[in-house]
Amino acid sequence: QSALTQPRSVSGSPGQSVTISCTGTSSDVGAYNYVSWYQQYPGKAPKLMIYDVTKRPSGVPDRFSGSKSGNTASLTISGLQAEDEADYYCCSYAGIYTFWVFGGGTKLTVL
Amino acid sequence: QVQLQESGPGLVKPSETLSLTCTVSGDSISSNYYWGWIRQPPGKGLEWIASMHHSGNTYCNPSLKSRVTISVDTSKNQFSLKLTSVTAADTAVYYCARRESGRPAPLQHWGQGTLLTVSS
Repeated sequence: QSALTQPRSVSGSPGQSVTISCTGTSSDVGAYNYVSWYQQYPGKAPKLMIYDVTKRPSGVPDRFSGSKSGNTASLTISGLQAEDEADYYCCSYAGIYTFWVFGGGTKLTVL
Repeated sequence: QVQLQESGPGLVKPSETLSLTCTVSGDSISSNYYWGWIRQPPGKGLEWIASMHHSGNTYCNPSLKSRVTISVDTSKNQFSLKLTSVTAADTAVYYCARRESGRPAPLQHWGQGTLLTVSS
């Protein structure tokens, strides 16, 4: 069982927006602004999409945005495109004893 | 652009020791980054294993700490993972990755992954 809780799947139509939640605790998501999101296509390595809750690495479309409220972080993808269909994982720093925890992943289907 | 490439035996017997190597190109492993390992069992989520700085500073997942050794070979620009007493639960794709040091930075650069199967 993963430390962070994500919905197993979400879906949306092209052009719509979807939000993926990532629920942790006051020891990880709630304690630090070090939440990151990764996109993973089947058989491929994860790709960093969001870091430090809201920041986007160079090259990531601004359709991807992150936020956090309390112990729950969220990834929002607006203007859905077929190429966004992938698995998405959240990750949070959890302090000097646990370090890093991941969510179980969410499969995004573009209808 | 930094590139990371994992290599390993592909198949390990239960109770044996898993050994994986990550070869880094496009950057020096002695630069100011943390080098680490993450794994993903088939059809499941990601699990952080351990990270290491060339200075020797090492962090490890508490659930794996007793079985994990991570090391750096600056002469070969490689870093390695050893996991002892493996079981079927250790079957996974193992990724190596790099993150900035100085703060809890994200895993910016990843290798393509290598599948390690534990089976007799």
